[in-house]
Order: sequence, then structure tokens, then C-alpha cells
Amino acid sequence: DQQVKQNSPSLSVQEGRISILNCDYTNSMFDYFLWYKKYPAEGPTFLISISSIKDKNEDGRFTVFLNKSAKHLSLHIVPSQPGDSAVYFCAPGAGNQFYFGTGTSLTVIP
Amino acid sequence: DAEITQSPRHKITETGRQVTLACHQTWNHNNMFWYRQDLGHGLRLIHYSYGVHDTNKGEVSDGYSVSRSNTEDLPLTLESAASSQTSVYFCASSESSLGAQYFGPGTRLLVL
Repeated sequence: DQQVKQNSPSLSVQEGRISILNCDYTNSMFDYFLWYKKYPAEGPTFLISISSIKDKNEDGRFTVFLNKSAKHLSLHIVPSQPGDSAVYFCAPGAGNQFYFGTGTSLTVIP
Repeated sequence: DAEITQSPRHKITETGRQVTLACHQTWNHNNMFWYRQDLGHGLRLIHYSYGVHDTNKGEVSDGYSVSRSNTEDLPLTLESAASSQTSVYFCASSESSLGAQYFGPGTRLLVL
């Protein structure tokens, strides 16, 4: 029973446009939410986070939105760049563990 | 620069053999983690440690063990390798228990 779902395995976006990656979770105890980016043959790299007391966190081109009532978070990348092409994992956490989604493979087309 | 390394990067072994995957970090982080990544499952937590001599089971710990004798290393041992343990293994470390984790490059393990 997966507690974290990223229902879009892949996403293609034109360079310069917005990329929106979604993540749904079932555990209402999650209180901290991370996004990671992963290139092939490398480990995941931390991208951005948000705590449950906020509904938005912004860092440059990356913004994460949290809707606690819907148990949904999303990552917006604006503008998208070819170097953003990677697999993105959401990872909600509580207590001392994080639970990773299955990932969304983003392709930014030049 | 601080880093986290894993060795070997690739390993082929036979069913029933004992295998140890190494993880070494120079961040001086107390928290270290082992994950496996499989298609359709994302990353799943195997074991984690919050400090020397501390180890805890994660979501998929059966068939694996870890030991923490110093801050820098958390080796992962497969006591008797099974084909179901064919996977990519990632080690990670973090400064705080709910903080961002820094991942190693991964070890690709094939059990025949």
C-alpha cells in the first residue's frame, strides 16, 4: 500500500514554459515534504522542501505548493530549462522517515 | 569538499552469498540511511542510523543488516543474497532526522 503517489510517470514540456509535477499522499501525519531531482546513474539531489505549517515555498525557479486538506503537493518550475530534464521524486516525511514517490520523468524540449 | 561515496558501484553475485555494500561520508553527519530503488516503487528505506552503535529497521529490512561503528561508515550486508534483492542501492546522510538527505551515487547489484 503506497502512501505516496506520483501518478504521472513522465512529462514533456517546451523550454521556457511551466512544468508542474504532482504528488499525492494518504498519511495525514506527514509534516515535512521534500522534492529531489535525479539524473541517470547519480544519486538523488535535494531540490526544495516545505513544512506543513506553510502552503508555499519558493526558491528561484522552483516553487512547491502544499494543500494539506487535499493531501496534495506540487512542484512548479518556471521557466523550464533543458537542464531540468531529470526524474523528480517527492518525499513526505514524519517522525524520522521519508517515503518516496515513484518519480516523474521530466523532459524539457529545447 | 564533503561527500558521500559508495562501493562497489556495480556488483554481480550469486544466490546465497553474503554481500556487503560500503557507504562512507565525510559530512560528519550523525544520520545515515540505506534505500533501494526498484521500478514501480521509488526509493524504499532499508535501515537507518542516528549515530554510532544506533541502527533501526526501515520499511524493507528483511534480509539486510547494518552496523555503525563510527560516524563516517554504514555498511549494508545482505546475509544470503536472493534474486529479489537485485536492485539499485543508495546510501544517504543528513544533519537532522527530518532534514534534506545527501545521497551517494548508488550501487547496482545483480543477484543471479
